[in-house]
Amino acid sequence: QKEVEQNSGPLSVPEGAIASLNCTYSDRGSQSFFWYRQYSGKSPELIMFIYSNGDKEDGRFTAQLNKASQYVSLLIRDSQPSDSATYLCALKGTLNDYKLSFGAGTTVTVRA
Amino acid sequence: DTAVSQTPKYLVTQMGNDKSIKCEQNLGHDTMYWYKQDSKKFLKIMFSYNNKELIINETVPNRFSPKSPDKAHLNLHINSLELGDSAVYFCASSQDSLAGGRNGELFFGEGSRLTVL
Repeated sequence: QKEVEQNSGPLSVPEGAIASLNCTYSDRGSQSFFWYRQYSGKSPELIMFIYSNGDKEDGRFTAQLNKASQYVSLLIRDSQPSDSATYLCALKGTLNDYKLSFGAGTTVTVRA
Repeated sequence: DTAVSQTPKYLVTQMGNDKSIKCEQNLGHDTMYWYKQDSKKFLKIMFSYNNKELIINETVPNRFSPKSPDKAHLNLHINSLELGDSAVYFCASSQDSLAGGRNGELFFGEGSRLTVL
């Protein structure tokens, strides 16, 4: 399994602030990257994917990828209490990889 | 109607026992997976089946044996349970064999929490 590192947190942010989550990976050949959200006691669900260097925005979420530095990040703007969850970074070596490799996740708590 | 359903949701058992977890998906997907999530939330692939054929078999003790009677079902049998087997086991599915393809989207069941005493 490819190594994916995340700060486990918890990351506590006030409501309305920006939550910034980081993920680094060891395999320089990794090509595609994903962010899953997992509420406590629930199953993971996909919220973002990114393949190209730069930013990708979807609503209040922005994924940022820097392959040269081997990191991918997730920004959550205007954080809401409903964003409180564990965010799992995942990657595939290539688009044709059979496996998704996950990090251990960062727990985010948004304070009302 | 639940897309990926697992039973049971909770298992509490003694060391040395054998237990099974069942999974069914009604999404029409071709590929199903078993993932193990430990207490630190680390989600690790164990097995994957594509149209009943085993395509991923990670370094997992042979006490763990998956079975896929058809592409909509994937079961996990665990023999001689050990304390370290305590975890949440997630079943997942994807349309293709390539871990969700371009989107990387796996559809997870609600998980089965196994506690070995």
